[in-house]
Amino acid sequence: AQTVTQSQPEMSVQEAETVTLSCTYDTSESDYYLFWYKQPPSRQMILVIRQEAYKQQNATENRFSVNFQKAAKSFSLKISDSQLGDAAMYFCAYKGGYGGSQGNLIFGKGTKLSVKP
Amino acid sequence: EPEVTQTPSHQVTQMGQEVILRCVPISNHLYFYWYRQILGQKVEFLVSFYNNEISEKSEIFDDQFSVERPDGSNFTLKIRSTKLEDSAMYFCASSERAGPSNTEAFFGQGTRLTVV
Repeated sequence: AQTVTQSQPEMSVQEAETVTLSCTYDTSESDYYLFWYKQPPSRQMILVIRQEAYKQQNATENRFSVNFQKAAKSFSLKISDSQLGDAAMYFCAYKGGYGGSQGNLIFGKGTKLSVKP
Repeated sequence: EPEVTQTPSHQVTQMGQEVILRCVPISNHLYFYWYRQILGQKVEFLVSFYNNEISEKSEIFDDQFSVERPDGSNFTLKIRSTKLEDSAMYFCASSERAGPSNTEAFFGQGTRLTVV
């Protein structure tokens, strides 16, 4: 069974600085997708960034980028120029890519990010 | 921008009572999901639904749970006889596709269920 591990329950960053959130996963599949979701105090889950496992290039979305290391099964999220609005719970998630999968996500336990002004 | 909407935002119910949580997925999406998040814990998959039937379910989704798409727009989660441990945030999600060509799942804002 696939598992997702986030080893940092809490992280803190100074406004305008850079922070990296860690995520490792375990799978025997070769085709899959990885996601970072943000959950602000409003509790809605918002997709931050997505990475397809077959792509070697790391995904980037504005201030958010990932370091995807497939062999090491590592998928870290880097937030550059941190803003107060980035404060939230961040969840790493895995989705299998085979045709039989209907796409349910497997989540890590989350990392609570605080941003200090 | 289209979004997944869930009602109510907060539901309080007596233990043993039935509850129905409602969701309106994004209109052109074909795959629907329910997830649960017990306070302070990770988000857990409950069930996925496609073509008017359950396509996958987790061990959590036992006989007290059921899902339905009664009218082509709503997607509901029914808990027949609620227990204290059912207290959680319930998220509905939908996606346009699944499988190898999948797209992202869009989540609703959640329904906080409190069983007393």
